[in-house]
Amino acid sequence: AQSVTQLGSHVSVSEGALVLLRCNYSSSVPPYLFWYVQYPNQGLQLLLKYTSAATLVKGINGFEAEFKKSETSFHLTKPSAHMSDAAEYFCAVSDDPGSARQLTFGSGTQLTVLP
Amino acid sequence: SAVISQKPSRDICQRGTSLTIQCQVDSQVTMMFWYRQQPGQSLTLIATANQGSEATYESGFVIDKFPISRPNLTFSTLTVSNMSPEDSSIYLCSALIGGTNYGYTFGSGTRLTVV
Repeated sequence: AQSVTQLGSHVSVSEGALVLLRCNYSSSVPPYLFWYVQYPNQGLQLLLKYTSAATLVKGINGFEAEFKKSETSFHLTKPSAHMSDAAEYFCAVSDDPGSARQLTFGSGTQLTVLP
Repeated sequence: SAVISQKPSRDICQRGTSLTIQCQVDSQVTMMFWYRQQPGQSLTLIATANQGSEATYESGFVIDKFPISRPNLTFSTLTVSNMSPEDSSIYLCSALIGGTNYGYTFGSGTRLTVV
């Protein structure tokens, strides 16, 4: 079975500061990992994904994440926060090409950006 | 990548009634999923919608309450039956996209309020 743990349900950073959102996973097979962002009253937008290629993954809006197998982590970072980054962020894992191929989500991290 | 059109975007329903949510994908996809996002929480998988056969439900979800149809590779519906206020949530459909753009895309969600 697969699972995702997001440390910190709420993270606050100042505008221009480093953003670090933590994600640890558990999977019985090599995982595929995803970060999604959800703005208020909207659906989910894919930020980036790891599918067993390069371990450092660059996504949209200046975000990136590094897959570290030894730490079972896939933390999301952005060098300089912008006010528009305020949103809910979800880390998710899939065991594809496993049999289920469904996404399992973490509990989410609400990012607040302070002026 | 594929785009999912989901409707309705929101609805307010009386308890005891049913609501059917529709998702249309603009390309053929192998797998479609339905998720529930309760207020302030993460996404929980309801079921995998199987083309031409009964959906595969997760623990805690049953067909009588959440009947799902998937008549072809681009369309699926979720019905929330005999609704109660506890069913007030956001419901999202998702599709697994294969190939070079591998990943999961989501509809914009249906915000359901049961009164």
